[in-house]
Amino acid sequence: GAGVSQTPSNKVTEKGKYVELRCDPISGHTALYWYRQSLGQGPEFLIYFQGTGAADDSGLPNDRFFAVRPEGSVSTLKIQRTERGDSAVYLCASSVYVNTEAFFGQGTRLTVV
Amino acid sequence: KQEVTQIPAALSVPEGENLVLNCSFTDSAIYNLQWFRQDPGKGLTSLLLIQSSQREQTSGRLNASLDKSSGRSTLYIAASQPGDSATYLCAVYGGATNKLIFGTGTLLAVQP
Repeated sequence: GAGVSQTPSNKVTEKGKYVELRCDPISGHTALYWYRQSLGQGPEFLIYFQGTGAADDSGLPNDRFFAVRPEGSVSTLKIQRTERGDSAVYLCASSVYVNTEAFFGQGTRLTVV
Repeated sequence: KQEVTQIPAALSVPEGENLVLNCSFTDSAIYNLQWFRQDPGKGLTSLLLIQSSQREQTSGRLNASLDKSSGRSTLYIAASQPGDSATYLCAVYGGATNKLIFGTGTLLAVQP
């Protein structure tokens, strides 16, 4: 596809359940970023990948959050034992290399009830 | 730790007016700065990227400037239109970290 694609666009889950959020970056982009955005706030960094490896995961709030990018393309953000405080929009971005222009997907709106 | 601030938080102008949005950052050791637009319920659309060695970039009615030494950037929008209404976010790639640090945005409303 031409842009960054995120699925699903919306996800409603019950407290305590496990969820997976998917990101398809722009083809050929080596860097991939995950951000989380709460209402009225700017995006907050979670993790970024350079190729297959997580180069910086310092923004993951706790060990319930985990992300993978096994083949250096598609990435999955995984959240275990979801809590109501995890409700937010999760944004994915990709760039050709780190520190170059970043392009964002439309986000996944996660609601934990 | 890099902190990014955007002023004002909200702005309402009549159609046709020129306007300036401000962004400031605390650590001047940045690689580049990027301006985004976000429509309600949508993702971020990249508007302009300014490399740390550049002082400004232009795209259509948009002009972004960068003064690294003072930790400031401005986004100038000429002849504003109702379709420009959105939240505008600036973000910097920090010198010590390869990640975008965002401000909280400026909510712009252009009144017809």
